[in-house]
Amino acid sequence: QKEVEQDPGPLSVPEGAIVSLNCTYSNSAFQYFMWYRQYSRKGPELLMYTYSSGNKEDGRFTAQVDKSSKYISLFIRDSQPSDSATYLCAMSVGSGTYKYIFGTGTRLKVLA
Amino acid sequence: KAGVTQTPRYLIKTRGQQVTLSCSPISGHRSVSWYQQTPGQGLQFLFEYFSETQRNKGNFPGRFSGRQFSNSRSEMNVSTLELGDSALYLCASSLRFGGSDEQFFGPGTRLTVL
Repeated sequence: QKEVEQDPGPLSVPEGAIVSLNCTYSNSAFQYFMWYRQYSRKGPELLMYTYSSGNKEDGRFTAQVDKSSKYISLFIRDSQPSDSATYLCAMSVGSGTYKYIFGTGTRLKVLA
Repeated sequence: KAGVTQTPRYLIKTRGQQVTLSCSPISGHRSVSWYQQTPGQGLQFLFEYFSETQRNKGNFPGRFSGRQFSNSRSEMNVSTLELGDSALYLCASSLRFGGSDEQFFGPGTRLTVL
């Protein structure tokens, strides 16, 4: 079993829709959670960074962490065609000798 | 503030050759991590350097090596290239090592091995 599971998609939604992207994980020690957006042939761009449980909002993006269920989500409101990309979740224990673990990414396509 | 920079952006090599990739982190960041990204395997962690010392290592053969200089710039070397080494190599920087800080990626070096 992989430490981090992410549905690869592709996920197609109409412009203006609310998008929900999710990752599940098995290591209860994870404390730091990130979401990245990666356009084709580019490096990943950090969208959201959260510590422990709870919600964090930044513009049209909301990150949600549920440590009891080992489940994290990224919500995109009023989705735009420019949001079409692959979204990667990443998480870490953050204990000094640990590293970030990435999901395999979900491909999102927002249709105009 | 300048982001993470990587050079070169594209490389074409043949099997058996070696290659060196370079990464300059965000100013003030002292940790540099390297990743290999392929369509089949996704993002795989290679190693992380902090203060010129390797702090974490992924499950890659010894052909993959790296180093970090006193100015935090890092290089990654792959010797005896194989076809399977064709990938996007990404460098990421953060303030500290160990996964408690935001990590920012560079644009990557796309390596093609023929």
